[in-house]
Amino acid sequence: AQSVAQPEDQVNVAEGNPLTVKCTYSVSGNPYLFWYVQYPNRGLQFLLKYITGDNLVKGSYGFEAEFNKSQTSFHLKKPSALVSDSALYFCAVRDRETGANNLFFGTGTRLTVIP
Amino acid sequence: EAGVAQSPRYKIIEKRQSVAFWCNPISGHATLYWYQQILGQGPKLLIQFQNNGVVDDSQLPKDRFSAERLKGVDSTLKIQPAKLEDSAVYLCASSLGVGGSTDTQYFGPGTRLTVL
Repeated sequence: AQSVAQPEDQVNVAEGNPLTVKCTYSVSGNPYLFWYVQYPNRGLQFLLKYITGDNLVKGSYGFEAEFNKSQTSFHLKKPSALVSDSALYFCAVRDRETGANNLFFGTGTRLTVIP
Repeated sequence: EAGVAQSPRYKIIEKRQSVAFWCNPISGHATLYWYQQILGQGPKLLIQFQNNGVVDDSQLPKDRFSAERLKGVDSTLKIQPAKLEDSAVYLCASSLGVGGSTDTQYFGPGTRLTVL
């Protein structure tokens, strides 16, 4: 069975400081991992994904994420937060072995960047 | 490039009424998904189409939900009759590939359904 845990419902960070949004996953095989962001009354926007290769993945808007197989984590990071980064962030996993296309999402982490 | 289009954006109905949602995927995308996002939760897949065929509908409550993707392009999702617990945002997504699990899914803005 596939699952994703986002242990923090809410993350607050001061503008200009680094931010981290945590994600851990569970799959029977090897994972494909994704991060999406959701602004109010908008759909999910794709940020980045890990498929294979380099464990550090760079994505849109200056975000990056590091795949850590031993810790089964895929934390989202940004060196310097902007007020406009305030949104709801979702981590998602797909099991590489099953070949299924559907994503399993976490419950989301609300990021607030304080000016 | 135009994104995934959905309509209506908002819908309020009484329980036991019926409702339909429409989705137009990104041009050329073979795979289309419908997700249900209940407040405070992540999206949950309801049904996945590949062209005009159903790939996965294991999470679709088939006694009241139905979906179709005629001609492999647009799709409609219907609820009949609606229950209070169907209040949610219904998200449509599409991806380019035909069964490729590395594909990125692109989401529409969603339809917010309120059942009273």
